[in-house]
Amino acid sequence: GAVVSQHPSRVICKSGTSVKIECRSLDFQATTMFWYRQFPKKSLMLMATSNEGSKATYEQGVEKDKFLINHASLTLSTLTVTSAHPEDSSFYICSASQASGRSYNEQFFGPGTRLTVL
Amino acid sequence: QKEVEQNSGPLSVPEGAIASLNCTYSDRGSQSFFWYRQYSGKSPELIMFIYSNGDKEDGRFTAQLNKASQYVSLLIRDSQPSDSATYLCAPSGNTPLVFGKGTRLSVIA
Repeated sequence: GAVVSQHPSRVICKSGTSVKIECRSLDFQATTMFWYRQFPKKSLMLMATSNEGSKATYEQGVEKDKFLINHASLTLSTLTVTSAHPEDSSFYICSASQASGRSYNEQFFGPGTRLTVL
Repeated sequence: QKEVEQNSGPLSVPEGAIASLNCTYSDRGSQSFFWYRQYSGKSPELIMFIYSNGDKEDGRFTAQLNKASQYVSLLIRDSQPSDSATYLCAPSGNTPLVFGKGTRLSVIA
């Protein structure tokens, strides 16, 4: 199957700093990537959808100025958590869909990034 | 959006038993479904895709789709403690996928 990587896998930062998380599709081109957040024992929550070369679409309640998403190429999307606060501590997971032409829109998930804001 | 409902569990089964996980959906237009497994602290991984009525088997896993009754199931035969995880179903017609809350399965040794 297709492989999606995320970096870093774990990050601890001080309150007020910014953190960038990278999501890469390693062996396929991803026209669309998705960013999710998951708090302990809670469901996956979609934060935003990013399409290569265009602005991300954010879900209701997600601050676009706080969670900056860039999808500069067909294999890389980044999520930057700006001015992080302890309540931003969570498990951030990206996923990617392959370029058009496939019959089914399965999503391949990265391994996730655990963010802890002190 | 096409939505699904799952019993959040936990569903506890003894080792070696059959675990049955169910997912109901409201949109008759949903034609195919994914089943993902998510271990605690990990991201979801795709384990099954079913697109036609009836059963699809893959090792110890069998997915069942019943379009008339609008449910999709996942059966795990000979359950192992390593199967303990949350199982998520999602209709394939949405982009992005819309997941149910998932069913937490606990296999007790």
